[in-house]
Amino acid sequence: AQSVTQLGSHVSVSEGALVLLRCNYSSSVPPYLFWYVQYPNQGLQLLLKYTSAATLVKGINGFEAEFKKSETSFHLTKPSAHMSDAAEYFCAVSDSGTYKYIFGTGTRLKVLA
Amino acid sequence: DAGITQSPRHKVTETGTPVTLRCHQTENHRYMYWYRQDPGHGLRLIHYSYGVKDTDKGEVSDGYSVSRSKTEDFLLTLESATSSQTSVYFCAISDKGGQPQHFGDGTRLSIL
Repeated sequence: AQSVTQLGSHVSVSEGALVLLRCNYSSSVPPYLFWYVQYPNQGLQLLLKYTSAATLVKGINGFEAEFKKSETSFHLTKPSAHMSDAAEYFCAVSDSGTYKYIFGTGTRLKVLA
Repeated sequence: DAGITQSPRHKVTETGTPVTLRCHQTENHRYMYWYRQDPGHGLRLIHYSYGVKDTDKGEVSDGYSVSRSKTEDFLLTLESATSSQTSVYFCAISDKGGQPQHFGDGTRLSIL
């Protein structure tokens, strides 16, 4: 069965520091993987997605993620955190061609001045 | 921004009453989804639709029903609300099955 694990429900970084949000998945078939961001009182916004093309995926707002099959990981990174990056981030997995779309429990990112 | 409107945005009701949440889209997307978001659980799929009058259950469908009589509207109904259904409900749409692309701003539902 598919599952997604996000390590760390809360992450704090200083402004300008590297952002690293971790996501590990399990899937019996090659998955589609996604990262979403949620700002307070808003819905989720798609940051980036992996659909079996390039393993390094670039998204919006300077974020990128690398698919590592050997590690079953899809960690989200950004070289330099900005105050506006403070939000909750969700990793999600979907088996290609199905409607079973599983979200992780989320990681709340706090950016310190 | 994608044209998705959820109504109401907030609702407080009592246990045992029926509740209907509405999702309206102006994107003409084929697929529509209802999720609930709870602390520690992320988002969980309740029901989804892959066309007019075509719907199916998600992972937490018990106590919920849906209807889609036209492309732009997807209704979620709690026939007899329970306190365990207190949550934030999100509608999502996509033009590709299985990959919600745009989310509404959510409906915060409290059942007392």
